[in-house]
Amino acid sequence: EPEVTQTPSHQVTQMGQEVILRCVPISNHLYFYWYRQILGQKVEFLVSFYNNEISEKSEIFDDQFSVERPDGSNFTLKIRSTKLEDSAMYFCASSQEGNEQFFGPGTRLTVL
Amino acid sequence: GQQLNQSPQSMFIQEGEDVSMNCTSSSIFNTWLWYKQDPGEGPVLLIALYKAGELTSNGRLTAQFGITRKDSFLNISASIPSDVGIYFCAGPKPSGSARQLTFGSGTQLTVLP
Repeated sequence: EPEVTQTPSHQVTQMGQEVILRCVPISNHLYFYWYRQILGQKVEFLVSFYNNEISEKSEIFDDQFSVERPDGSNFTLKIRSTKLEDSAMYFCASSQEGNEQFFGPGTRLTVL
Repeated sequence: GQQLNQSPQSMFIQEGEDVSMNCTSSSIFNTWLWYKQDPGEGPVLLIALYKAGELTSNGRLTAQFGITRKDSFLNISASIPSDVGIYFCAGPKPSGSARQLTFGSGTQLTVLP
């Protein structure tokens, strides 16, 4: 069964460094998303992406964040200058036309 | 923004028991999704509901879309140890392009042998 994959599974970085989290969505899906989950809390929406542009973003998704689909398969989330409070699990998700979003296993980001 | 309130926050049940959890909102939702999350993993979609009053099953799981469109219920019958995890309800914003999901705070389920 097709699934969303994410790399790396765990990323440790120093505060102020740039990180890029990578995702390969399900191949015939058209909509791509990033969510985050701070330890012990609920999953929060960051951004959605369709037709090579951002379609929606939340207040969390400020100028430090950017997304890109550099080729036909990858979807990336970049955090330009990480802060301690960026430590969280980051989930990529994808969907076809409907609202059924399928999530990847996540990348645990630890900012020291 | 809209919030989804889940109850109970946690449950401890004996293996073989049935369990019920619910999700309520002050806003109307047009779709309800139920996900399960195991520790350190991503949410896995269990059931999707699209119509008020709809009752949908997936194996031992049954979910209902409340007729007011402001609530949803998830039932698990004959629980087994692998049912342990956090169950989240989620729904898309009712307005706009409506693709961002709002998640509830989750129900932590523990199944005792």
